[in-house]
Amino acid sequence: AQSVTQLDSHVSVSEGTPVLLRCNYSSSYSPSLFWYVQHPNKGLQLLLKYTSAATLVKGINGFEAEFKKSETSFHLTKPSAHMSDAAEYFCVVTRGGYSTLTFGKGTMLLVSP
Amino acid sequence: DTEVTQTPKHLVMGMTNKKSLKCEQHMGHRAMYWYKQKAKKPPELMFVYSYEKLSINESVPSRFSPECPNSSLLNLHLHALQPEDSALYLCASSQEGQNYGYTFGSGTRLTVV
Repeated sequence: AQSVTQLDSHVSVSEGTPVLLRCNYSSSYSPSLFWYVQHPNKGLQLLLKYTSAATLVKGINGFEAEFKKSETSFHLTKPSAHMSDAAEYFCVVTRGGYSTLTFGKGTMLLVSP
Repeated sequence: DTEVTQTPKHLVMGMTNKKSLKCEQHMGHRAMYWYKQKAKKPPELMFVYSYEKLSINESVPSRFSPECPNSSLLNLHLHALQPEDSALYLCASSQEGQNYGYTFGSGTRLTVV
């Protein structure tokens, strides 16, 4: 069994300030973890993925995430928010292969000027 | 080609209509998926096709009928839908084994009237 908890339903930041979106997971197996972003009325875009290689994962658009097994966390960060980062972010866990994805409930990132 | 293409982007249909959603990918992925996403919710898995065979049906009502004519195409046939079926329908595809993550299409926004 596996599950994902996104600790914040909404996060508000000012443009140019750091972003932290929190995600905790539970998995009976060595998990693969992903962050997806969804802009309004759009599909999901893969930001980054952890697949048991390096624990610090760099993704697109300046985002990165660190896999911490001891804390069962996979938090998403970005040093400086941009207005275009405003979107819904989903943390996702899977066993891999053709195993299905387990989504968190999402975190809405709001960026103010 | 690293995209999943979904058509149409928007669809309005009556409860007695029959329509189809289409999804296409040319990445050589052997698994394809249909997800349903309601507003402000994460996507919910509907169907999984693996090597063109239906491998998972998440207890979806029979008014939704998937079809995988070949390894690049996935259809979702709709008949006698209800207003509560209005949602964003997302198609995705994936490779096996290396936890590449899923590639999602932009979705079809379906409104049932």
